[in-house]
Amino acid sequence: LAKTTQPISMDSYEGQEVNITCSHNNIATNDYITWYQQFPSQGPRFIIQGYKTKVTNEVASLFIPADRKSSTLSLPRVSLSDTAVYYCLVPPEGFQKLVFGTGTRLLVSP
Amino acid sequence: EAQVTQNPRYLITVTGKKLTVTCSQNMNHEYMSWYRQDPGLGLRQIYYSMNVEVTDKGDVPEGYKVSRKEKRNFPLILESPSPNQTSLYFCASSFSRRTSEYYEQYFGPGTRLTVT
Repeated sequence: LAKTTQPISMDSYEGQEVNITCSHNNIATNDYITWYQQFPSQGPRFIIQGYKTKVTNEVASLFIPADRKSSTLSLPRVSLSDTAVYYCLVPPEGFQKLVFGTGTRLLVSP
Repeated sequence: EAQVTQNPRYLITVTGKKLTVTCSQNMNHEYMSWYRQDPGLGLRQIYYSMNVEVTDKGDVPEGYKVSRKEKRNFPLILESPSPNQTSLYFCASSFSRRTSEYYEQYFGPGTRLTVT
């Protein structure tokens, strides 16, 4: 399983763009990069996944450079409700096991 | 509505009294899993199941049992609960990966268990 490293915490203000970077130096060729969001006392919720370049959905964008050793989750114009823990995971091909690290605790202030 | 349900949501029990936490999904997912979440330790996998009648240990299986007799249900059984099993428990499900595609996991709302 590819080990991931991400900042423990980040602070932002409402309306700002937030970028959370994750490093995964030993990512394998067919591994996907996925991000989950977790609010206090709730189960994690899938946000976005990608393999290379850029992926965008209604919630976030995911930027993956050519070497795939890192990725950046971008949350445009955050609001107070985006305060949560964000997990970067790289589950290997053919395997559903998710290994959650400590994640990045994002605090959005007014 | 596609969802994973867990019952009960909250449970306070005493040491040694057997309990079962139910988990059910309505998405026809093959894969189901149980996690526990503790402060400072993150989410850790207890057991998982690739399909009906197929279960395997996760990272912290001691003190727990599971069964998968039907595709939609994956109950977690604590035969003799102890205080160190006080935790927040999550059930999750997804389609099984057969190719390089990734299938997101859906998590239940959680069960907060206190063992005194």
